[in-house]
Amino acid sequence: EVKLLESGGGLVQPGGSMRLSCAASGFTFTDFYMYWIRQPAGKAPEWLGFIRNKANGYTTEYNPSVKGRFTISRDNTQNMLYLQMNTLRAEDTATYYCAREDSGYWYFDFWGPGTMVTVSS
Amino acid sequence: DIVLTQSPALAVSLGQRATISCRASQSVSISRYNLMHWYQQKPGQQPKLLIYRASNLASGIPARFSGSGSGTDFTLTINPVQADDIATYYCQQSRESPPTFGGGTKLELK
Repeated sequence: EVKLLESGGGLVQPGGSMRLSCAASGFTFTDFYMYWIRQPAGKAPEWLGFIRNKANGYTTEYNPSVKGRFTISRDNTQNMLYLQMNTLRAEDTATYYCAREDSGYWYFDFWGPGTMVTVSS
Repeated sequence: DIVLTQSPALAVSLGQRATISCRASQSVSISRYNLMHWYQQKPGQQPKLLIYRASNLASGIPARFSGSGSGTDFTLTINPVQADDIATYYCQQSRESPPTFGGGTKLELK
């Protein structure tokens, strides 16, 4: 059974940093592109970026809205995905999801339950 | 970015057909591929993939869900609507980066 489980969310002050984690299980982690997507309360999801699979060299792509502040990485020995977020702003407040993409067509067949990040003083 | 527009809400009776629309600001089709996908989200839960590439049913999704469309206009149909289908539905395009989502349509009981 495919499972994704995010952790690391919480309250952070504006300008601060936070690292989110996503534990993956039930599939061959290195075969898949992995994504981070966020969703402010009551709003639509927003794609943040992804990290490619082993066959494509684990390179990354980002939404211009977060490029330079957010960094995606993975530990393939632990089946873990990470999102490092720096210089956080109030508008980064959202539920953050990790998701898997299988097809090459950039749709997301499994999502974790999410972790909430609140940026506030 | 490609903007996807959905009606905010749709009221439907149980057992009836629900038709949810999504309009893209530019075509999201390439050749025979229609790069529009649909998700269901219930309160407090993560989105769940229903339909991929406009008309393909995701694994484990009941056949009462179907999708259609091409170019800029797409439709998700639920027939017949069951109580468990009350949720918010999002379309998502992957024709261009960044992939974008519609604002969501909240399906409500009439």
